[in-house]
This record gives sequence, C-alpha cells and structure tokens, in this order.
Amino acid sequence: KQEVTQIPAALSVPEGENLVLNCSFTDSAIYNLQWFRQDPGKGLTSLLLIQSSQREQTSGRLNASLDKSSGRSTLYIAASQPGDSATYLCAVSSDKSSGTYKYIFGTGTRLKVLA
Amino acid sequence: DTGVSQNPRHKITKRGQNVTFRCDPISEHNRLYWYRQTLGQGPEFLTYFQNEAQLEKSRLLSDRFSAERPKGSFSTLEIQRTEQGDSAMYLCASSLYSATEAFFGQGTRLTVV
Repeated sequence: KQEVTQIPAALSVPEGENLVLNCSFTDSAIYNLQWFRQDPGKGLTSLLLIQSSQREQTSGRLNASLDKSSGRSTLYIAASQPGDSATYLCAVSSDKSSGTYKYIFGTGTRLKVLA
Repeated sequence: DTGVSQNPRHKITKRGQNVTFRCDPISEHNRLYWYRQTLGQGPEFLTYFQNEAQLEKSRLLSDRFSAERPKGSFSTLEIQRTEQGDSAMYLCASSLYSATEAFFGQGTRLTVV
C-alpha cells in the first residue's frame, strides 16, 4: 500500500530564504508526482507535475525534483516571500501494478514566511 | 474555461439529514475524483470516474455515500443520514486523462451539527 510522508510538518523562515520541502513515498511504481499549494480553507492549487520519466520540473521560483528509485521528491522554493505562506502537499499517482490512477497525498508541510 | 467548480461552498446540516454536493469538472476532462479532507490532514481518496463509469471506491465510502456522474459531465456526491464524523472538506478534481495533471475545485465545507 502506497504511503506518502512529508517532512517537516511545519516550517517557519524569514523572508528571502531558500528552502526545501521533502516528500517520500514507499512504492516507486508511480505514474507521476504532483505538488500542490493549499491556502487555509481553500482548495488545492497545482504547482508542478513531474512524470515518472522526468527528473525535475521548474516554474518560476519553484523547482521540484524526483528520484523514483529512492522514493523521494523535493520542492525547492527560492527567495521565499510572505505570500508563499501556505500548506504544501505532495501527491503520487498510484498504483501502477493495479492500473489505478488515484492520487495518494501526504499530510503536507505548513510553511510560514515571516516578513 | 473557469476550472473545476463545486457547489455549494459551505453546507451546514443537522445530523440525520441528507446532503448532495455538485462538481463541474473542466470541460473535456474525462477523469473526475472525489476526496475528503479533515483539519490538518491531506486529502483522502473517496472515488473516481472515467467518463460516466465509477472505477474505484474507497473503503471510506460507506453505504451512506453515493456518487454519480451521469453522461460523463458533472458529478454529484450524496451523503445520507449524515453523522458528525462526516464533517469535512469535500474536494473534487478532474484531469484530462489518467496520469495527467489534476486540477482541484475550491471544495465544499460540510458541517454536521
């Protein structure tokens, strides 16, 4: 059974810092991995999608990497801003062996960027 | 295209009542997913559709829950005889095909009193 873990659970940094959020998953047979942002009481906003054949994706100040063999992904945020404060969720599209495509989520990292 | 739309945004209901939520996916997306999220947790998978076919249901989806997607367009999620434990955010997502980018709606916050 696929399990997704995100570390740290919460993070508080001063504005301008570069930071790394971690995501690990137990079954490497994934189709893709997607990073989302969630503001309090809101839905999820897609940030980056990495297909299983890719190593990384970039969008603006965000860079996500994927090491499928070790079951890890990182989300790198450069020059953090107070507007980046949110919960960041990692989800893997699984289960390849059974052919299902549902996303399995981690519990998220709550990020607070201090002005 | 305005993205995935969910209605209502908020619902307060008394225990034992039935509620129905609606999700309008991005047009031409053939995959539609329902998730439930409680405070401090990541979304939990409930069920998904490919076009009008419901392909998988989670064990979380008890007999009181039913989902439909007639004609492969919008979807409804009904909860019968609501319980306080059903209080949560119900999220809908859609994707063009399997293993492509999923887009989520703003969710429906259900409070059972």
